[in-house]
Amino acid sequence: QVQLQESGPGLVKPSETLSLTCTLSGHSISPFYWSWIRQSPGKGLEWIGNIYSSGSTNFNPSLKSRIIMSVDTSKKQFSLRLTSVTAADTAIYYCARFSDWLGYFDVWGRGTLVTVSS
Amino acid sequence: QSVLTQPPSVSGAPGQRVTISCTGSTSNIGAAYDVHWYQLLPGTVPKLLIYANNNRPSGVPDRFSGSKSGTSASLAITGLQAEDEADYYCQSYDTSLSAWVFGGGTKLTVL
Repeated sequence: QVQLQESGPGLVKPSETLSLTCTLSGHSISPFYWSWIRQSPGKGLEWIGNIYSSGSTNFNPSLKSRIIMSVDTSKKQFSLRLTSVTAADTAIYYCARFSDWLGYFDVWGRGTLVTVSS
Repeated sequence: QSVLTQPPSVSGAPGQRVTISCTGSTSNIGAAYDVHWYQLLPGTVPKLLIYANNNRPSGVPDRFSGSKSGTSASLAITGLQAEDEADYYCQSYDTSLSAWVFGGGTKLTVL
């Protein structure tokens, strides 16, 4: 059974970098696409970006300048770094598997809340 | 503001049928991109309910169905159950934004 688990600090200071890792179990990390999605308090879902198991990436243009994504196939992990965070980046961050054939997210993690505050 | 518009809330009594609309434009749903639906319950793993407009993943009850026409899509839930009370989101691709986009979400209340 495919399972995804997000991990990382729950509190980040403004202007610093948010760093999250998603660990995969019960499934191979290759050859698939993996994604980060977030949900701000009281708001809807927002796609952040995708990374292929080879390392190629595709980001939401609205966040592109601040996103760094990486993948470690040996550890079955992929990561998100979001730089220069503000309070607007406070959200539940989800990792998910992306099906590029039809463009949907078919397996999700439970999500982790990240608060940006001093 | 989401480029995919959903009603903020819908409600229905147990056993009834409800529909949730997802209205887009010619740069997303109307551009022949597929629509997918998700169910989110606080504290639980989000669940893919419908993919590619009207297909159910294994394990999703046939009480859930999807449709798409023109620049809009709909999710229908028949035989409403208390466990269906959740937030529902539609999702597609937008060519103007060059991004995968979600609707604003609809909160379903089972009366």
